[in-house]
Amino acid sequence: DAKTTQPNSMESNEEEPVHLPCNHSTISGTDYIHWYRQLPSQGPEYVIHGLTSNVNNRMASLAIAEDRKSSTLILHRATLRDAAVYYCILRDFYGGSQGNLIFGKGTKLSVKP
Amino acid sequence: DAGVIQSPRHEVTEMGQEVTLRCKPISGHNSLFWYRQTMMRGLELLIYFNNNVPIDDSGMPEDRFSAKMPNASFSTLKIQPSEPRDSAVYFCASSLETMNTEAFFGQGTRLTVV
Repeated sequence: DAKTTQPNSMESNEEEPVHLPCNHSTISGTDYIHWYRQLPSQGPEYVIHGLTSNVNNRMASLAIAEDRKSSTLILHRATLRDAAVYYCILRDFYGGSQGNLIFGKGTKLSVKP
Repeated sequence: DAGVIQSPRHEVTEMGQEVTLRCKPISGHNSLFWYRQTMMRGLELLIYFNNNVPIDDSGMPEDRFSAKMPNASFSTLKIQPSEPRDSAVYFCASSLETMNTEAFFGQGTRLTVV
């Protein structure tokens, strides 16, 4: 399976933007880049996903490098509620994994008031 | 839709007993995942079903664990016999099998084996 590498932890101040990096140098052409987050004592929740182009939704933005070997999840204005573990995952429906969803260790984001 | 529904929310059982965890996926979803989460090992994928068929069960720890999906609206994860090291939070998730979809997770079942 294609792997992702994320920093173990990051800190941010409330109301400031946060850029969460993810490296996926072995990404294949059919891998989608998915981001999930897990708030304390809850199940993971979907944040955003993309293939090649940058993506925006109400929660965040996803910036994908031109060579697709890295991506960045952008929270435009961090709030205390954004404190969570953020997971970057590659999901492929055509390869051997057939759409499997495998979580790594993720980045624990702390937000300071 | 009420989302992915897991039951029970909490389960305390004695070592050696059989435990059955249940999951009702979102209606219309055809992919279902079972995960186990502990502080030490993080979020581990146990098994992945597609159209009720197990696609990847390489994460199932050992023969004590078994999972079934008899129809599109129900799945079970069974541990027999249970051991203290099985204590964890077990999550079920479902999604549509297309490229542009998200997986939805249930609230989890916190299992404690004493």
